[in-house]
Amino acid sequence: EPEVTQTPSHQVTQMGQEVILRCVPISNHLYFYWYRQILGQKVEFLVSFYNNEISEKSEIFDDQFSVERPDGSNFTLKIRSTKLEDSAMYFCASSELPMRMNTEAFFGQGTRLTVV
Amino acid sequence: GNSVTQMEGPVTLSEEAFLTINCTYTATGYPSLFWYVQYPGEGLQLLLKATKADDKGSNKGFEATYRKETTSFHLEKGSVQVSDSAVYFCALSDRSDYKLSFGAGTTVTVRA
Repeated sequence: EPEVTQTPSHQVTQMGQEVILRCVPISNHLYFYWYRQILGQKVEFLVSFYNNEISEKSEIFDDQFSVERPDGSNFTLKIRSTKLEDSAMYFCASSELPMRMNTEAFFGQGTRLTVV
Repeated sequence: GNSVTQMEGPVTLSEEAFLTINCTYTATGYPSLFWYVQYPGEGLQLLLKATKADDKGSNKGFEATYRKETTSFHLEKGSVQVSDSAVYFCALSDRSDYKLSFGAGTTVTVRA
């Protein structure tokens, strides 16, 4: 069964460092997403991506964040200068159709980012 | 904007007990409603969904009915098993959205 894969599963980084979280969406999917969940809080939307452009982004997704689909298979989230409050579980997801068409989003297992 | 309010956990049950997790929503349009489940060490998986009022989603013995009049989508299972121990998330999307809006998640632990 096709699945979304994320690497690494856990990353520890020092405050102020750049991190790149990697995701391989399901191969025939066209819509990609990043969500995050700070421990004990709700899953929050960060950004959606389609046709090499950001479709929508939340207030959380400020200039410190960027996304890229560098090679047609990977989908990355970069945080330029990490802050302590960026510590969270980051989930990548993909879907064949846009969410507004009642489609299913498939999620990866998540990357736990710890900023120290 | 869209939002989902989910009953707080954690919830601890004995095997074969009845499980209900309440979920209510606020949406600007006519949303689709979802329940996602996260088993220990795994990613989020779609458990069931409903796309219009009075639809009932069902899967693995779980059910939820889309109630427009009460803006609710409560999850139920008549007889839980230890393997149902997980975190359950209620979520919605609507036609104006490129995203899912999630509730806070409810941790369910089923004891043998």
